[in-house]
Amino acid sequence: LAKTTQPISMDSYEGQEVNITCSHNNIATNDYITWYQQFPSQGPRFIIQGYKTKVTNEVASLFIPADRKSSTLSLPRVSLSDTAVYYCLVNPAGFKTIFGAGTRLFVKA
Amino acid sequence: NAGVTQTPKFQVLKTGQSMTLQCAQDMNHNSMYWYRQDPGMGLRLIYYSASEGTTDKGEVPNGYNVSRLNKREFSLRLESAAPSQTSVYFCASHRAFGQETQYFGPGTRLLVL
Repeated sequence: LAKTTQPISMDSYEGQEVNITCSHNNIATNDYITWYQQFPSQGPRFIIQGYKTKVTNEVASLFIPADRKSSTLSLPRVSLSDTAVYYCLVNPAGFKTIFGAGTRLFVKA
Repeated sequence: NAGVTQTPKFQVLKTGQSMTLQCAQDMNHNSMYWYRQDPGMGLRLIYYSASEGTTDKGEVPNGYNVSRLNKREFSLRLESAAPSQTSVYFCASHRAFGQETQYFGPGTRLLVL
């Protein structure tokens, strides 16, 4: 199972772009990279998923280099409501999904 | 669609008591999961059910049992609760094996005294 490493916490200000990088050195060929967001007292919520290069949706962008050993979640123009914990997961070819401790993003006014 | 629902929302138990946490999904998903989340920590997989009729252990199965009652429902049972099982429990489901995203319920907060 590919292990992920991401920063424990990050601070930002409203309106800024936030980039959270996750490393996953032993990612397997068939693995996808998935990011979840979790607000206090709620279950995680899917943000974005990708395999390589760049994926963009209405919430975020995901950048994955050619070697796929890392990925970067980009949140454009964050607001106070983006304060949450963000988890990077590498989907294994099985069911034992591993959530790490995640990155606590705190957005200030 | 309600998505993934969990009952109860909150429960207080005494050490040694038993209880069952209920989870149901209305998305016709094949796979279901139980996680626990301790304060300030990530989620840890307790048990999962890849499809109706099958269950398997996750990362922290000790002290728990599960039942996949049917395609919609997946319950988690604590036979003899311990203070170390104080946590927030999340149920999740996803459509099928593979790269599908998981959908999470709102969680059950359990306090064991």
